[in-house]
Amino acid sequence: DTEVTQTPKHLVMGMTNKKSLKCEQHMGHRAMYWYKQKAKKPPELMFVYSYEKLSINESVPSRFSPECPNSSLLNLHLHALQPEDSALYLCASSQVASYTEAFFGQGTRLTVV
Amino acid sequence: RKEVEQDPGPFNVPEGATVAFNCTYSNSASQSFFWYRQDCRKEPKLLMSVYSSGNEDGRFTAQLNRASQYISLLIRDSKLSDSATYLCAVNSENQGGKLIFGQGTELSVKP
Repeated sequence: DTEVTQTPKHLVMGMTNKKSLKCEQHMGHRAMYWYKQKAKKPPELMFVYSYEKLSINESVPSRFSPECPNSSLLNLHLHALQPEDSALYLCASSQVASYTEAFFGQGTRLTVV
Repeated sequence: RKEVEQDPGPFNVPEGATVAFNCTYSNSASQSFFWYRQDCRKEPKLLMSVYSSGNEDGRFTAQLNRASQYISLLIRDSKLSDSATYLCAVNSENQGGKLIFGQGTELSVKP
């Protein structure tokens, strides 16, 4: 069973809504990640947090806003999304942000209407 | 050229067959290599880390060839339950922890 927990599992939101995705891990990992995955495609990296600081932003549009309140939590705030943003959003964590294996949460399946 | 490339398949094999997947990477500074398994509409799950000396876990064997910049995954005695998409992933320290995935190889094991 995954030790990375994401909520909610499913989310339907309108283009004018504001919502947040949440991710939690209790493995003591100091790196956390957000990935986006479209059907039949591999996960695409969005953000990397290392020791609670944003270390990588893969040129993600500002309608996606990450937040790392503490070493166990990672949020992704969503605002004014487009239908093409519909995808599976995956959170992952690893011991540190290099070398080590990353473990994924079950994902949030997001539909923007 | 993509940083990490895989043959997307699908690979359709009978139960009991041996199947091998390759994955090439372009960044010679890559240092960590992994195979993940992803079932339909589920998250990727770590299958194996790939070490320079190669490693084996039951029916699964992973190998790394740094000179040719590829990693491989061998599945022996395929089971129906092995049907999934297999993703290779590469991590380079000089990219600050970016875990880059190949496009995945779809495996379908038939009775």
